Amino acid sequence: EVQLLESGGGLVQPGGSLRLSCAASGFTFSLYAMNWVRQAPGKGLEWVSTIRSSGDNTFYADSVRGRFTISRDNSKNTLFLQMDSLRAEDTAVYYCAKEVTIFRSTAYFDYWGQGTLVSVSS
Amino acid sequence: SYVLTQPPSVSVAPGKTARITCGGYNFGSRTVHWYQQKPGQAPVVVMYYDTDRPSGIPERFSGSNSGNTATLTISRVEAGDEADYYCQVWDSSTDHRVFGGGTKLTVL
Repeated sequence: EVQLLESGGGLVQPGGSLRLSCAASGFTFSLYAMNWVRQAPGKGLEWVSTIRSSGDNTFYADSVRGRFTISRDNSKNTLFLQMDSLRAEDTAVYYCAKEVTIFRSTAYFDYWGQGTLVSVSS
Repeated sequence: SYVLTQPPSVSVAPGKTARITCGGYNFGSRTVHWYQQKPGQAPVVVMYYDTDRPSGIPERFSGSNSGNTATLTISRVEAGDEADYYCQVWDSSTDHRVFGGGTKLTVL
């Protein structure tokens, strides 16, 4: 059974940093691209970042590029999101999502974690 | 960045058919995926590659993609189908993943 368990959320002041983790199990983690998707309170889903299976390629939404860093440890089946220079508008539930990728064709998310809440406020 | 447009809300009576649309520029060449999200829960994929249904998703759910619009159709709607539905594509020009704004399905 595929499981994705996020952790690391919490309350942080504007300008602060937070590191999210996502522990994966039930599949061969090193074979799949992984993503972070967020959802602000009462709002829709927003894709944040993708990392390819080997970790060599990463992609970011314009809203977080230069402030967030996605990474992974395939030896520990864990995905990370380092969030720096946090803003109030980064307040959201952050989901980790496993991706099905068809190279140069499409990509979608077949499994999601339950999410971790990040609140940015003074 | 690429934009997907969904109606904010769709209402349907139980037993009737709900159609949720998703549109974008030059949409026809893109493959669309759909997610259902119930309150307090993580999203679940209900349709991928325009028309493929994951195991466990009822046959009442179907998808289509033609011209500039993709459609998620839910036949014989039940109270349990009430949820937010999001479409999603992969943007080949940026390698970004893009979500529509979401549609709240209300079962009357």
